Amino acid sequence: KQEVTQIPAALSVPEGENLVLNCSFTDSAIYNLQWFRQDPGKGLTSLLLIQSSQREQTSGRLNASLDKSSGRSTLYIAASQPGDSATYLCAVSDTGFQKLVFGTGTRLLVSP
Amino acid sequence: GAVVSQHPSRVICKSGTSVKIECRSLDFQATTMFWYRQFPKQSLMLMATSNEGSKATYEQGVEKDKFLINHASLTLSTLTVTSAHPEDSSFYICSAHSPQAASTDTQYFGPGTRLTVL
Repeated sequence: KQEVTQIPAALSVPEGENLVLNCSFTDSAIYNLQWFRQDPGKGLTSLLLIQSSQREQTSGRLNASLDKSSGRSTLYIAASQPGDSATYLCAVSDTGFQKLVFGTGTRLLVSP
Repeated sequence: GAVVSQHPSRVICKSGTSVKIECRSLDFQATTMFWYRQFPKQSLMLMATSNEGSKATYEQGVEKDKFLINHASLTLSTLTVTSAHPEDSSFYICSAHSPQAASTDTQYFGPGTRLTVL
């Protein structure tokens, strides 16, 4: 059974810092990995999707990497801003778009 | 971009009553919708996969008679929590897959429904 873990569970940084969020999964036979953002009491916003054959994806200040063989992914946020404050979730899929298994999340607080 | 709505956004009900939550794809047809549950400070757990015109597929441990799912059209799936109890209080989120999406891997998530059972 696939299990996804995220470290740290919570992170507080001052504005402007670069930061890294970590995601690990137990079964390396994944189809893809996605990073989502969730604001309090809200749904999910997809940030980046990495196919199993890819090593990384970039969108603006965000860069996600994937090391499938070691079961790890990182989300790098450059020059953090208070608006980045949210919970970040990673999720893996082993069969295309179906059955996303979500991680435990990292609650990020960026202080002005 | 594709938009998924949920109604209601919040609901409070008495123990023993049934509650229906709607999930709609507003500008695309969704052949498959997914229902997730999220307890406070925990991650999302997939409850069931809903396919238009057929019975939903439930994940292990999810009671199909308690969580009734209907996907009667390509734009609407409903989740009914029957005989709700306080332990059913949670945040319920749906997502939808569009066959027309640029990526076959894309799920579009609704804003969620906060259910509180007194």
